[in-house]
Amino acid sequence: DGGITQSPKYLFRKEGQNVTLSCEQNLNHDAMYWYRQDPGQGLRLIYYSQIVNDFQKGDIAEGYSVSREKKESFPLTVTSAQKNPTAFYLCASSIFNGYTFGSGTRLTVV
Amino acid sequence: SQQGEEDPQALSIQEGENATMNCSYKTSINNLQWYRQNSGRGLVHLILIRSNEREKHSGRLRVTLDTSKKSSSLLITASRAADTASYFCATSFETSGSRLTFGEGTQLTVNP
Repeated sequence: DGGITQSPKYLFRKEGQNVTLSCEQNLNHDAMYWYRQDPGQGLRLIYYSQIVNDFQKGDIAEGYSVSREKKESFPLTVTSAQKNPTAFYLCASSIFNGYTFGSGTRLTVV
Repeated sequence: SQQGEEDPQALSIQEGENATMNCSYKTSINNLQWYRQNSGRGLVHLILIRSNEREKHSGRLRVTLDTSKKSSSLLITASRAADTASYFCATSFETSGSRLTFGEGTQLTVNP
């Protein structure tokens, strides 16, 4: 079945470490997105990519990095520069106006 | 920056009742979408309404859009306990391409 897969579901990171969250889609969507969600809040856009080998900063890009080497994949790296990385991270892809979301990765800094 | 705002922040109703959630935004939009999120899960697309549309229906869902007031409402009729979730509006602005900006959501609880 077509869909978007995020892994891992839960991730623990020590302070000062970088960590990479995976997002893979087999929907043949051109655009992909990373959002951050904090408890009881809406989604805030971190980075997005409308085409392979191109991406743009969203509203809260500081402390994060991405790459888009393949259409299917849009990994997000949470760097040590992100001061408050504990959150729920959601990846999405879209074609025209419909977004499909992954099931999320919950990152906790220990 | 977040421009969509939903109200109420939380809504608790009994099964069988209707639930209405509202969303306001600040700039011109291409379209407005509603999403549902079960606790700790991804978002599921419910319905999209374009800026030149005023009302859309999908099953028990009814969405209205008033561009003069920059507001939208989502009505869920004959609610069920399984409708318990958070509901978000998301707007696509004329200047932002495919980007969606999400509101902070309404937490709906439907009591059996």
